[in-house]
Amino acid sequence: QVQLVQTGAEVKKPGASVKVSCKASGYTFTGYFLHWVRQAPGQGLEWMGWINPNSGDTNYAQKFQGRVTLTRDTSISTAYMELSSLTSDDTAVYYCARFTGSSSFDYWGQGTLVTVSS
Amino acid sequence: QSALTQPASVSGSPGQSITISCTGASSDVGGYNFVSWYQHHPGKAPKLMIYDVTNRPSGVSNRFSGSKSGNTASLTISGLQAEDEADYYCNSYTSSSSYVFGTGTKVTVL
Repeated sequence: QVQLVQTGAEVKKPGASVKVSCKASGYTFTGYFLHWVRQAPGQGLEWMGWINPNSGDTNYAQKFQGRVTLTRDTSISTAYMELSSLTSDDTAVYYCARFTGSSSFDYWGQGTLVTVSS
Repeated sequence: QSALTQPASVSGSPGQSITISCTGASSDVGGYNFVSWYQHHPGKAPKLMIYDVTNRPSGVSNRFSGSKSGNTASLTISGLQAEDEADYYCNSYTSSSSYVFGTGTKVTVL
């Protein structure tokens, strides 16, 4: 069965960076784009960007341009989301999600809580 | 890209039907048939309920249906059940080759 398993919760200080991983199993990793979505406390879902695991091509939401980097390691079927220059506004649950050919997200990771606090 | 507009909350009694709207622009909802809907229970991963405006994934109850008119997409839940109580989000592809979520709607079963 398809599974996306993310790293555990992280606590970071303002100005630091965080790197969250998303390990895929149960399907061909390079066959589906992976997107990243976050949800801050009390807020809605926010789209961050995608990576094509086959080519490594990426596309980022304008809001995160210059601060987010999506990468992947095909040898271990894992995608990564690195966010830099963290502020308290980046405190959120971060999700990876598999993107289908029908322009939707059919499988999601369990979410990773990133807390930014001094 | 601004979030698509959804009502903050919608409520209904068991067995009733409710509709959640998702309003965007011609550059997103109105311009493409790439609208999807997600059910989100707190602390869990979102679940895909509708894709490509009207299509239901395998395993999703036929009580859930989607539609679109102009720049507004809608999700209808018929025969409302207690388990339907959750947050619901729409999502659309945009002309900037990006994606945008709606502001989210809390559904309460009275």
